[in-house]
Amino acid sequence: AQSVTQLDSQVPVFEEAPVELRCNYSSSVSVYLFWYVQYPNQGLQLLLKYLSGSTLVESINGFEAEFNKSQTSFHLRKPSVHISDTAEYFCAVSGTNTGNQFYFGTGTSLTVIP
Amino acid sequence: KAGVTQTPRYLIKTRGQQVTLSCSPISGHRSVSWYQQTPGQGLQFLFEYFSETQRNKGNFPGRFSGRQFSNSRSEMNVSTLELGDSALYLCASSVDGFLYGYTFGSGTRLTVV
Repeated sequence: AQSVTQLDSQVPVFEEAPVELRCNYSSSVSVYLFWYVQYPNQGLQLLLKYLSGSTLVESINGFEAEFNKSQTSFHLRKPSVHISDTAEYFCAVSGTNTGNQFYFGTGTSLTVIP
Repeated sequence: KAGVTQTPRYLIKTRGQQVTLSCSPISGHRSVSWYQQTPGQGLQFLFEYFSETQRNKGNFPGRFSGRQFSNSRSEMNVSTLELGDSALYLCASSVDGFLYGYTFGSGTRLTVV
């Protein structure tokens, strides 16, 4: 079975400060990892994903995440946040034995304070 | 290019009724998945359809059902609604699975009273 734990339910951070949203997963098979963002009253948007290859993946808006197999983690980071980054962030895992099902974490609400 | 379209956006139903939600995927996408999002349980997988066949099913009671048409449009049906079915229902489409990437719709907000 696969599961995802997002350690922080709420993260307040000042504008232009760095942020890290933590994600740990549990899986007995090869995994594929994702970060999705959800703005109020909207669906989920893919931020970045790790399928294979380089363990450091980046998004077009400055976020990055590093797949760490030994620590079973996929933490999301941004060196300098903007007000527009305020949203709910979900970490998700899928794998070769899960069909096309995502297992989502419970989400982290990021609030950027001016 | 048009995104994933879910209709209606909002719905209020009475306990015991049934409801049908619709999802139109991105053109060319043949895989459609449904998720239920609630504050208490988070995001939970309902089922996935590909080329009119259910490929995968989550752990929901039989009151939850779905189907996919030849044009890849999908519907989800919930019968005998319960208060706990109140949720945001999200549909996502892909060419063929997560390796190709899933695009989510904005969801249908169902309130059961």
